[in-house]
Amino acid sequence: EVQLVESGGGLVQPGGSLRLSCAASGFTFSNYAMSWVRQAPGKGLEWVSGITGSGDRTSYAGSVKGRFTISRDNAKNTVYLQMNSLRAEDTDVYYCAKGQGSVKFNELDNWGRGTLVTVSS
Amino acid sequence: QSALTQPPSVSAAPGQKVTISCSGSTSNIGNNYVSWYQQLPGTAPKLLIYENNKRPSGIPDRFSGSKSGTSATLGVTGLQTGDEADYYCGTWDSSLIAVVFGGGTKLTVL
Repeated sequence: EVQLVESGGGLVQPGGSLRLSCAASGFTFSNYAMSWVRQAPGKGLEWVSGITGSGDRTSYAGSVKGRFTISRDNAKNTVYLQMNSLRAEDTDVYYCAKGQGSVKFNELDNWGRGTLVTVSS
Repeated sequence: QSALTQPPSVSAAPGQKVTISCSGSTSNIGNNYVSWYQQLPGTAPKLLIYENNKRPSGIPDRFSGSKSGTSATLGVTGLQTGDEADYYCGTWDSSLIAVVFGGGTKLTVL
């Protein structure tokens, strides 16, 4: 059974940093692309970033480019999202999601339960 | 404002059929596969349809997808109260070099 467990969310001040982690199990991690998707309470989905299975290619939403960095450690079956220069509008639930192939950032077939990030002074 | 446009809400009676539209452009829907997700209240999204019209294992054939030009449609037949959820379309945008989602459609089964 595929499991994705996010951690690292919490309260951070504007301008601060936070690193999210997503521990994966139940599949051959290095064979699949991974994405981060966020959602404000009561709002729609926003794709944040994706990384290929090998980690050789990444992509970002325009709203986070230059501030967020996605990475993965295939030996630890974990994907990370380093978030810097955080803003109030980054306050969301952040989901980790698995792509259906090694380069598929779309077609997200398994999702974690999400971790809440709150940016506030 | 989302790159993909969905109606905010749709409704129909139990047992009936409903369709949800998703409109985009040549940089996204027009040249890329579309996926659909179901998000039940308080839960994470779930993949319903991928590559425009394919269903992952375990998804009933009451759910169907289609694409024409720069628009896509999700169909749900034999509506059940358990289908009440938010539905999102998503695809790759070749200009933005990012995944884009629609704003979501709330399905109410009356």
